Order: sequence, then structure tokens, then C-alpha cells
Amino acid sequence: EAGVTQSPRYAVLQEGQAVSFWCDPISGHDTLYWYQQPRDQGPQLLVYFRDEAVIDNSQLPSDRFSAVRPKGTNSTLKIQSAKQGDTATYLCASSFRGNNQAPLFGEGTRLSVL
Amino acid sequence: QEKVQQSPESLIVPEGAMSSLNCTFSNSASQSIWWYQQHPGKGPEALISIFSNGNKKEGRLTVYLNRASLHVSLHIRDSQPSDSAVYLCAVSKGSNYNVLYFGSGTKLTVEP
Repeated sequence: EAGVTQSPRYAVLQEGQAVSFWCDPISGHDTLYWYQQPRDQGPQLLVYFRDEAVIDNSQLPSDRFSAVRPKGTNSTLKIQSAKQGDTATYLCASSFRGNNQAPLFGEGTRLSVL
Repeated sequence: QEKVQQSPESLIVPEGAMSSLNCTFSNSASQSIWWYQQHPGKGPEALISIFSNGNKKEGRLTVYLNRASLHVSLHIRDSQPSDSAVYLCAVSKGSNYNVLYFGSGTKLTVEP
């Protein structure tokens, strides 16, 4: 079974540029999460979806960040006008609904903003 | 939001030794506690979870949970160089959304 797929694996931007990250979750997983992991820190939740609906996006750092999952399968996280403080690895995870279902993670997109 | 703290930040053990990692969390109502392993350049991978007070054993891994003291520990018996990685403790809020809140991790190095 294919795992969670993310692209691109790496992105290098100048401040002010925009970037999009793409995630293909495990087939059949109805819940999708985006996490931000700064260097030497644990993942921090940004937003999560059940099917196509945003359940909670209150942890998105600013209105420069947006996320969609229009058909309840793939998802895109976008940063408008990136800042140096956005430098981190962006991880996508997915899971089935139901208690105690371990979210399974992709390998992430490593973003550097110069 | 849940607060999760892990100690130590880094741990070096010789091959064959027991590795012991600690985690405290802020909310006794937290549901499951998960341990994830993360190798450099990879995403976190779930290792083991625990819900009830007490211990749970899977292979070389044993987890102990004490909800009263808001403490959970992971012990790796007969540590191997391949166990070298960052270990992340995560707590679940206890809904069927399975949202996890992570600590900063413990970097384990097992020396041959």
C-alpha cells in the first residue's frame, strides 16, 4: 500500500515569494493533517480536514497560510509572501476516523526562505 | 492546547543497553499517548501507543503511563545502532479526529 506522498521534497525561496505544497494521503483515509516542524522541534499542528471540510485552522500562523482539500482526497497548503520565519519542514499526515488511529506521515517538504 | 515536554533532549547509550525516555503532559484527560520515531529527513513513524494506566510491551519496547503524575516513559531494551533517531512523544485530545500534540523530541544515539 502506498504511503502518504508529498511534493516537492525541497523548496528554496526568497522572502516575499509564494509556495505551494501538495499531499496525497493514504487511500481511504478521511482525515488529513498539516504540521509544521521547525528544525530541532516537534511537529506543530497547522490545520486538519475531515473529508473536504476544514475542522480546525486556528493554528495557521497567519493569513499568509491557506489550505484546501476540495474533493476530500489530495490537499494543498499554500504560503503567500513567505518570510524567513517560515523556514521549516511541512509534514502531511492522514488517518481513518475513530479513536486511537495513528496518523501516518509523509516524508515532508523542507522549506528554506532566504 | 496540550503541552508536552520530553527529557532528556539527547541520550547516548552503548549497544545492548536499555534506553529510557520521559514525557510529561498537561492534561490528565488526554486520551492516547503515542511514541513516534523520526530518522533524519524522514517523517515520524508511529511505534507504540498507550491509553490505560500501567504498562504495555511490544517487542523490545515498553511504555509506562501514570495519569496521576501526567508522566509516560518509553524503554527500549537491548538498544541497537539502528534505533538511533529522534523519539517524539505525542498526546491525543481524545476525539475521533486523532489530533496529536507533540513534544520536542529526544535524540537517541546508540554507539556500537
